[in-house]
Amino acid sequence: KQEVTQIPAALSVPEGENLVLNCSFTDSAIYNLQWFRQDPGKGLTSLLLIQSSQREQTSGRLNASLDKSSGRSTLYIAASQPGDSATYLCAPGGAGNMLTFGGGTRLMVKP
Amino acid sequence: DVKVTQSSRYLVKRTGEKVFLECVQDMDHENMFWYRQDPGLGLRLIYFSYDVKMKEKGDIPEGYSVSREKKERFSLILESASTNQTSMYLCASYGVRGDTDTQYFGPGTRLTVL
Repeated sequence: KQEVTQIPAALSVPEGENLVLNCSFTDSAIYNLQWFRQDPGKGLTSLLLIQSSQREQTSGRLNASLDKSSGRSTLYIAASQPGDSATYLCAPGGAGNMLTFGGGTRLMVKP
Repeated sequence: DVKVTQSSRYLVKRTGEKVFLECVQDMDHENMFWYRQDPGLGLRLIYFSYDVKMKEKGDIPEGYSVSREKKERFSLILESASTNQTSMYLCASYGVRGDTDTQYFGPGTRLTVL
């Protein structure tokens, strides 16, 4: 059974810092990996999806990398802003695009 | 833009009541999912559906059932609500056509069972 770990569980940084959020998973037989953002009490917003054949994806200040063989993905956030404060969830997708979620990294960016 | 809507943002029910949570997507997606989210346990899959009238159990189906009579609508049913079903319920969908496997989520329903 796929198990997903996200480190750190919580992070507090001053505005402007570049950030690294880590995700590791135990079963490398994945089809894709998705990163989500969740604001308190709200649903999930998809940030990036990396197919298993890809190494990375970029959207604006966000860059996600995938090392499938070692079971790792990293989300880089450049020049962090207070509006980036949220919980970030990593979810590798197996057969049928079944997602397994990590526990999330709760990010706070202070002005 | 894909839109996934859920019938209620907040719901309060009594133990033993039958509860219906509705989810509607507007992008003709074949696949729909129901998750629950609890502190310390993360998101867990309850049920999913690959097509109309098709349903498959997820990781924690006990105490729940689902209905998919139309492609755009996926309902989660709590036959007899219990306090341990107090949770945030999230619906998601994705389509098999197109160039992405992105799952799109609704805003969530916060259910409290008293």
